[in-house]
Amino acid sequence: AQTVTQSQPEMSVQEAETVTLSCTYDTSENNYYLFWYKQPPSRQMILVIRQEAYKQQNATENRFSVNFQKAAKSFSLKISDSQLGDTAMYFCAFMKPPVNSKLTFGKGITLSVRP
Amino acid sequence: DTEVTQTPKHLVMGMTNKKSLKCEQHMGHRAMYWYKQKAKKPPELMFVYSYEKLSINESVPSRFSPECPNSSLLNLHLHALQPEDSALYLCASSQDSRQHTGELFFGEGSRLTVL
Repeated sequence: AQTVTQSQPEMSVQEAETVTLSCTYDTSENNYYLFWYKQPPSRQMILVIRQEAYKQQNATENRFSVNFQKAAKSFSLKISDSQLGDTAMYFCAFMKPPVNSKLTFGKGITLSVRP
Repeated sequence: DTEVTQTPKHLVMGMTNKKSLKCEQHMGHRAMYWYKQKAKKPPELMFVYSYEKLSINESVPSRFSPECPNSSLLNLHLHALQPEDSALYLCASSQDSRQHTGELFFGEGSRLTVL
């Protein structure tokens, strides 16, 4: 069975600063997907960034980037130039093929961006 | 159209009532999901439908009955619920093809309160 661990329940960052959210996972699989999802107070969960395990290059989406360390089973999210709209709960998640199988979430971290 | 629409947004029901939650997507996705989410917790998978057939049931009590009438619609029928079933119920959809990226598209959820 897969597990996803987010050990920090809450973090706070000043607007325009950089923050890193930690995530570790455990699996015996070699091929899988990793995700960071964001859930703002309005509730709708949206995908922030995804990483395929077979790709060594770290994924980047605008101000969001990941540090994927496959051997260490670590998948941290870096948010640069933090904005007030980044205030949300962030979930790290794991999925193994085949597609449409279970998405395993971490406990989540509440990020607050201070003005 | 990249939306997953859920109705109703809020629902209050007694333990003897029968009600339904509805979910609709028009993205051509062939996989649809029901998740249950308690406050400040990660979503918990309940059911997965793939090509209108139930593919995953995470040992959900029979008082929750899913239905997928067609590829765009997903219902969750509720009967004889308990107060502990009060939660946010999230619907999601995803592609089901070789191009599947693993990304789930979530609706805003239906907030259920059982009295």
